[in-house]
Amino acid sequence: QPQLQESGSGLVKPSQTLSLTCAVSGDSVSSDGYSWSWIRQPPGKGLEWIGYIYHGGNIYYNPSLKSRVTISLDKSQNQFSLKVNSVTAADTAMYYCAREGLGYGYLDYWGQGILVTVSS
Amino acid sequence: QSALTQPASVSGSPGQSITISCTGSNSDLGTYNYVSWYQQHPGKAPQLMIFDVTTRPSGVSDRFSGSKSGNTASLTISGLQAEDEADYYCCSYTTSATLVFGGGTKVTVL
Repeated sequence: QPQLQESGSGLVKPSQTLSLTCAVSGDSVSSDGYSWSWIRQPPGKGLEWIGYIYHGGNIYYNPSLKSRVTISLDKSQNQFSLKVNSVTAADTAMYYCAREGLGYGYLDYWGQGILVTVSS
Repeated sequence: QSALTQPASVSGSPGQSITISCTGSNSDLGTYNYVSWYQQHPGKAPQLMIFDVTTRPSGVSDRFSGSKSGNTASLTISGLQAEDEADYYCCSYTTSATLVFGGGTKVTVL
């Protein structure tokens, strides 16, 4: 079964760019039918879907974040990435990567999450 | 896109059944049967419990069941156990090919 592991900077200064990577093992990000998602959860709050990228390269973003977010796929490294520009304290959250299963709209495997704090 | 609406909390005694509702719109739940439910224990990543409204992944107890009527989906936990105490989130595919979560429901076992 696939395993996902987030990595990146846990502390980002306001107005800078948050960058995270999700390494995938036990599966290929090139596998047909799957997409690869980012989700975040501010401390003490609920889940917020950020966006996903399909194996073929199509990308969909949460409209509320679309202007600041970029998701990309690195098939050679079997990983995918997230960048969030112009961060503020409101972007402080646990960030999860996940795989969307065959079909639509469900996330069957998740990483353990990485806490990102935006602070000067 | 607006978050799906869930009750903030639901509680029940061991052995009882509880139901968590999740209300959306014609842009999500009302159009598709692509509703999923996640269980999250404190400090842990969410775990998929139900997808496609009613389907349980392998390994998930049959005490968990899902349903949908119109713009409202529901998760029922039967034979409530102490280990079921957690936060639960619904999620739906939308007509914009995005995903939207509910605000979450805290389940307390009395």
